[in-house]
Amino acid sequence: EVQLLESGGALVQPGGSLRLSCAAPGFSFSTYGMNWVRQAPGKGLEWVSGISSSGGITYFADSVKGRFTISRDNSKNTLYLQMNSLRAEDTAVYYCATSKRDATDYWGQGTLVTVSS
Amino acid sequence: EIVLTQSPGTLSLSPGERATLSCRASQSVSSSYLAWYQQKPGQSPRLLIYGASARATGIPDRFSGSGSGTDFTLTISRLEPEDFAVYYCQQYGSSPYTFGQGTNLEIK
Repeated sequence: EVQLLESGGALVQPGGSLRLSCAAPGFSFSTYGMNWVRQAPGKGLEWVSGISSSGGITYFADSVKGRFTISRDNSKNTLYLQMNSLRAEDTAVYYCATSKRDATDYWGQGTLVTVSS
Repeated sequence: EIVLTQSPGTLSLSPGERATLSCRASQSVSSSYLAWYQQKPGQSPRLLIYGASARATGIPDRFSGSGSGTDFTLTISRLEPEDFAVYYCQQYGSSPYTFGQGTNLEIK
């Protein structure tokens, strides 16, 4: 059973920073592209960022470009999302998810980020 | 950026009925890289359909996807009680990999 375990969500003030982690123990992590997807309270899904299996290619939604950075450490089976200059509209549950492959994908349970003073 | 528009916003049907959900893209979706997800309250999304028409692992055959280019459809042939949920389409052919706003399938 593949498990993705997000952590790092917290209450942070506007303008602050936060780093999210997504651990994938016992999984062929280094062979998958990975993504971050968020969901504001009571709202729909929003794709945030993606990274290739090697980490050499990254993608971002316009809403976070220049503020968020995605990275991965394949030796630790861990994905990261560094979030800077946080705004109230970044408040959401953040999910990590694998790319689609072999007729499936995998999602974590999410970690809540609240941006408020 | 490809904008996906789902319709209807809410669909009220009874168990046993057929559900047809639409997803329209603002420009052609590359290589039919269009997926459908189901999400229930408090749960992570579950992949139903990928490549516009291929069922994901473990998905019952009452779920089917069709379409190409800019118009895509998710059909649930006979609704079961567990099918009432929110459904999202997503294009993953060109970054940013956008989602539609969702269709809420509710029990009539």
